[in-house]
Amino acid sequence: DAMVIQNPRYQVTQFGKPVTLSCSQTLNHNVMYWYQQKSSQAPKLLFHYYDKDFNNEADTPDNFQSRRPNTSFCFLDIRSPGLGDAAMYLCATSFGGPGQSFLPNEQFFGPGTRLTVL
Amino acid sequence: AQTVTQSQPEMSVQEAETVTLSCTYDTSESDYYLFWYKQPPSRQMILVIRQEAYKQQNATENRFSVNFQKAAKSFSLKISDSQLGDAAMYFCAYRGPQGGSEKLVFGKGTKLTVNP
Repeated sequence: DAMVIQNPRYQVTQFGKPVTLSCSQTLNHNVMYWYQQKSSQAPKLLFHYYDKDFNNEADTPDNFQSRRPNTSFCFLDIRSPGLGDAAMYLCATSFGGPGQSFLPNEQFFGPGTRLTVL
Repeated sequence: AQTVTQSQPEMSVQEAETVTLSCTYDTSESDYYLFWYKQPPSRQMILVIRQEAYKQQNATENRFSVNFQKAAKSFSLKISDSQLGDAAMYFCAYRGPQGGSEKLVFGKGTKLTVNP
């Protein structure tokens, strides 16, 4: 089945130790998103890619970076995790992009990676 | 900036009964899209239903329907014949006009409990 896969499902890291979260998709969608979801809160968009075009949200800390080496994979890098970065990180994909003429498509979400910072 | 408000942090319903989850939003756009997403415990978020603002008819998907009131900027979700599997967090989300940003703005969610 076509899907969005996130690895690992649970990640534990130490304060200040860099960590990378992975997302892959078999849907061949051109847009990929990273959301941060803290406990009992709404998902908050960190950034997204239209194809290789990176779009950062204005309030995303510099500590968070992303890479998309190809259509299928996208990585979230946290350079120096703080205690406040402990959260669920959701990857999502969709078709779309600026100037697209077709109706907005739904976003398909992965199961998330729960990050714990010790 | 667009905002989405879900005023009910938690709701409960008896199995087989009907429940309505509330959502209001704020936007200056006339063309936009609204969604309800379901996030079961420890499982991925899935789309429940979507509504295009230019459509007057309320969207329906099996037991799920919406009451879209554009002038009031209200977008409630009605779940009929509730089932145990409906227990989840429900998020209301807003997306801007076609051809614009793909960004979804989410509400804070409503936790739905279904009692047997």
